[in-house]
Amino acid sequence: AQKITQTQPGMFVQEKEAVTLDCTYDTSDPSYGLFWYKQPSSGEMIFLIYQGSYDQQNATEGRYSLNFQKARKSANLVISASQLGDSAMYFCAMRGLNTGGFKTIFGAGTRLFVKA
Amino acid sequence: GAVVSQHPSWVICKSGTSVKIECRSLDFQATTMFWYRQFPKQSLMLMATSNEGSKATYEQGVEKDKFLINHASLTLSTLTVTSAHPEDSSFYICSAENRDNEQFFGPGTRLTVL
Repeated sequence: AQKITQTQPGMFVQEKEAVTLDCTYDTSDPSYGLFWYKQPSSGEMIFLIYQGSYDQQNATEGRYSLNFQKARKSANLVISASQLGDSAMYFCAMRGLNTGGFKTIFGAGTRLFVKA
Repeated sequence: GAVVSQHPSWVICKSGTSVKIECRSLDFQATTMFWYRQFPKQSLMLMATSNEGSKATYEQGVEKDKFLINHASLTLSTLTVTSAHPEDSSFYICSAENRDNEQFFGPGTRLTVL
């Protein structure tokens, strides 16, 4: 069975500082993908970053980077130089090949508050 | 980038009525679409996987007779909440998968059942 765990219900960060959002996962699939999404109050799911299980290097997208530690099954999101607009809910997700096709499952989420 | 739309964006209905939510992939063909439900302050929970031209696959605990899914074309899937009750009030989000297995999310539909 697949599982995604986000242990931080809420996080505070000072504007312009970096913050790390934790995510651990469990899967028996040899091949899988890890994602981070941002969900503002409007509800839309905004894709941030993707890491494939066979990727050798950690993914980066602008101010977002993914600290992928395969042996520890962790995929933490690092947001550098936080901005007020980063305040939102953040979900870690995993996609793997299951019986019947690909499925994406989500963690419980972390609400990030950026302080001015 | 690929665009997925949902209609309506919000709906209020009376208890006992049925509500249909549409999910469309606007600029690509989606052989597979997914329907999620999100209760306030909770995560997205996968309800069902919808494949074009075949019956949907429902997750455990999801009533297939209550949540009817139709994927009649490569660009449209519909979710019908039948005999809606207040406990069905939720945020429903669809996603569509292209031929490269990339997944794109719709903006969501907020359902309120009075």
